[in-house]
Amino acid sequence: KNQVEQSPQSLIILEGKNCTLQCNYTVSPFSNLRWYKQDTGRGPVSLTIMTFSENTKSNGRYTATLDADTKQSSLHITASQLSDSASYICVVKYSGAGSYQLTFGKGTKLSVIP
Amino acid sequence: DAGVTQSPTHLIKTRGQHVTLRCSPISGHKSVSWYQQVLGQGPQFIFQYYEKEERGRGNFPDRFSARQFPNYSSELNVNALLLGDSALYLCASSPGTVSSNQPQHFGDGTRLSIL
Repeated sequence: KNQVEQSPQSLIILEGKNCTLQCNYTVSPFSNLRWYKQDTGRGPVSLTIMTFSENTKSNGRYTATLDADTKQSSLHITASQLSDSASYICVVKYSGAGSYQLTFGKGTKLSVIP
Repeated sequence: DAGVTQSPTHLIKTRGQHVTLRCSPISGHKSVSWYQQVLGQGPQFIFQYYEKEERGRGNFPDRFSARQFPNYSSELNVNALLLGDSALYLCASSPGTVSSNQPQHFGDGTRLSIL
């Protein structure tokens, strides 16, 4: 069964500190992996998209890594800000037999406190 | 430029009723996808349409249907509503299909509550 597991489920950090969110997947055949940020009551916003051949991709203070061999990805947030408080969702796309599916993780809820 | 717009923002229905949700993609985007997000969970893929044709379907019953119009806007229809259909319904648009590696742009969703 294709699954995306995220950890931790929730995280509280002090403003200015760094943090790393984890995503493990069993999706196969893998096509790409996406990280989204979702503020409460809003739709998700794309942070990064990584294909099989990419190991690292950055978007400002956000850096995503991908290890396609171990089927693991991480999202590192540097120098956190209060506005980083949100849910971070890992999404894995797989394709096969002429169709595709997107499998979403349940998200990590990050709270950044002063 | 306007982002993805969804209407209505909130909706209350009773079991057994029918509902139609609407989505207008970003100008120039030809692909629209629909997702269901139950409280505390990640979104689940329902449909993707590209150039008015269905290009992908998630594991949802036949009570769920959708279509895309010539102006690329889209409707999601749900028949015979169940309590379990209560969720945030998200629409996302992208220039091409999800088979490409382009990011999807999400609207803020329609909050559907079933009584």
